[in-house]
Amino acid sequence: DGGITQSPKYLFRKEGQNVTLSCEQNLNHDAMYWYRQDPGQGLRLIYYSQIVNDFQKGDIAEGYSVSREKKESFPLTVTSAQKNPTAFYLCASSILSDRGGTDTQYFGPGTRLTVL
Amino acid sequence: GQNIDQPTEMTATEGAIVQINCTYQTSGFNGLFWYQQHAGEAPTFLSYNVLDGLEEKGRFSSFLSRSKGYSYLLLKELQMKDSASYLCAVADSNYQLIWGAGTKLIIKP
Repeated sequence: DGGITQSPKYLFRKEGQNVTLSCEQNLNHDAMYWYRQDPGQGLRLIYYSQIVNDFQKGDIAEGYSVSREKKESFPLTVTSAQKNPTAFYLCASSILSDRGGTDTQYFGPGTRLTVL
Repeated sequence: GQNIDQPTEMTATEGAIVQINCTYQTSGFNGLFWYQQHAGEAPTFLSYNVLDGLEEKGRFSSFLSRSKGYSYLLLKELQMKDSASYLCAVADSNYQLIWGAGTKLIIKP
């Protein structure tokens, strides 16, 4: 079955610790994204990548880091510099369309991170 | 700035019809998406409009007017499982998605 997986579904960390959230896709999509979702707000883009070994900051990249060493994988590290890390984190992927942009994004199940 | 507006919450009755509106102001336009998101789950794709008019897909339809910066999602023959949040997102001139905060739809029996 093709899809996007994120693990774990729930994650608890102490304040000051870095934590890495995994995202894997077997859809052969070129583009991958990380979003953060907070209650009452739209999804906010953290980082995105359109090709292996390259990625761009989104609107709220401060306190986060990513890597894209393989097409299938796009892990997100939430560092201790992120002031309000408790949130629902969603990973998505898409093809790159002929128009030059990205196509419909498909989401993984999400990771709910709680920092105590 | 870029902005997507949707009502925060709507209530409808099982079997009825509901229309969820979305207005947008973005730098450029490369299409509008509707997603459904059940509580605690990931958004799932419903529809994509890039040209004006109505796109019908079973019980769900989506309408777009680019000149008015307006879209709506129409849900017919509502079922209890349609209780969810509905997210509107617009692809801007850089093809980045700008997301609305979502409309929580409550279905009553």
